[in-house]
Amino acid sequence: GAGVSQTPSNKVTEKGKYVELRCDPISGHTALYWYRQSLGQGPEFLIYFQGTGAADDSGLPNDRFFAVRPEGSVSTLKIQRTERGDSAVYLCASSPDRISYEQYFGPGTRLTVT
Amino acid sequence: GNSVTQMEGPVTLSEEAFLTINCTYTATGYPSLFWYVQYPGEGLQLLLKATKADDKGSNKGFEATYRKETTSFHLEKGSVQVSDSAVYFCALLSSNDYKLSFGAGTTVTVRA
Repeated sequence: GAGVSQTPSNKVTEKGKYVELRCDPISGHTALYWYRQSLGQGPEFLIYFQGTGAADDSGLPNDRFFAVRPEGSVSTLKIQRTERGDSAVYLCASSPDRISYEQYFGPGTRLTVT
Repeated sequence: GNSVTQMEGPVTLSEEAFLTINCTYTATGYPSLFWYVQYPGEGLQLLLKATKADDKGSNKGFEATYRKETTSFHLEKGSVQVSDSAVYFCALLSSNDYKLSFGAGTTVTVRA
């Protein structure tokens, strides 16, 4: 079956602009996660959704970052007033439920802020 | 808090050489441990996992044993191939948690 998909695969934007990154999880997966991977680093947790609600957004770096999952499936990560330090690969993962050990990752969106 | 420390790369090997990537962790309780792999141009894939002490995870010729006494989960493969060239990440998941904690990754290049 289809895996986790993310769009766009690459996004180049100017400093100060607004961007949206989309994640389509595996069908039926109730848990969805966003991670950020900076160059030369491992992924770092941003936010976790169980169903439609953000159960834990403690990893979001500041209030310029926001994510939604209105129907419990597709999620959008939104970044306002982008800064050069936001440049990274943004990864989405999903799992069948909260206590599942395996998270299935998408290919990521590479965001470059110029 | 949770943390994972893995061997720094890059690592360059010849085909059929033995590969080991060290990983140690700090966590409360009894975490589950994972190795993820990222092939060039692809997303993170789970390579293997172990959920309790002394478990051995294995897949595609790779193995790692969960050692609670040394808080380690070293990855090994006896004979690498060019197709094993990738970035390898060690990760942990605390019990009753959902946030994976990753190491910084180790880039492995296998030459023919």
